[in-house]
Amino acid sequence: ETGVTQTPRHLVMGMTNKKSLKCEQHLGHNAMYWYKQSAKKPLELMFVYNFKEQTENNSVPSRFSPECPNSSHLFLHLHTLQPEDSALYLCASSPDLGNTEAFFGQGTRLTVV
Amino acid sequence: AQTVTQSQPEMSVQEAETVTLSCTYDTSESDYYLFWYKQPPSRQMILVIRQEAYKQQNATENRFSVNFQKAAKSFSLKISDSQLGDAAMYFCAYRSQYNFNKFYFGSGTKLNVKP
Repeated sequence: ETGVTQTPRHLVMGMTNKKSLKCEQHLGHNAMYWYKQSAKKPLELMFVYNFKEQTENNSVPSRFSPECPNSSHLFLHLHTLQPEDSALYLCASSPDLGNTEAFFGQGTRLTVV
Repeated sequence: AQTVTQSQPEMSVQEAETVTLSCTYDTSESDYYLFWYKQPPSRQMILVIRQEAYKQQNATENRFSVNFQKAAKSFSLKISDSQLGDAAMYFCAYRSQYNFNKFYFGSGTKLNVKP
């Protein structure tokens, strides 16, 4: 257990649904990340937040909308997704954006039907 | 752009034997950080070992060690005395020192450990 908790663990949603993924950390970290993990592909960095401010949007489609209300919580709002968006979505945090490694949650397995 | 390549999708090793996982990366930067992460079936990524590019000495962490070849942009992971619990996906990662948003991972290598 690394101190980063993601909910739900599994999610099945239709293409017209709206859902949200939640990430929570109480490690006192200031930087939080969303990654997309698809089979046999490199992890894709989606968004980076530092001190609640978005510092990176890696050309992610607008159907993914992140929200960081405070340094401990990070959300990923989903709407009108496509089947190819099915993947494992990983949240991570680090003390800052410096040289320290990231601590990961267990991910949300998303299936879009 | 920085990219990380792991050319071995899957590998197998006999328990107690040694295995080496390969990783290469592409960068024009001189200072950066490299990591190996382990992802067991529980899906939670766990840091195995890290290496600062400015350090010539290869990092070691118990049974895990790296062979860092900066000129060749190679960063392999050696696991000695393999144990059943080492079975997992292993990801190589690169982090820029100049732009900390740039934290890139490879596609992973699945390691099987045979009893």
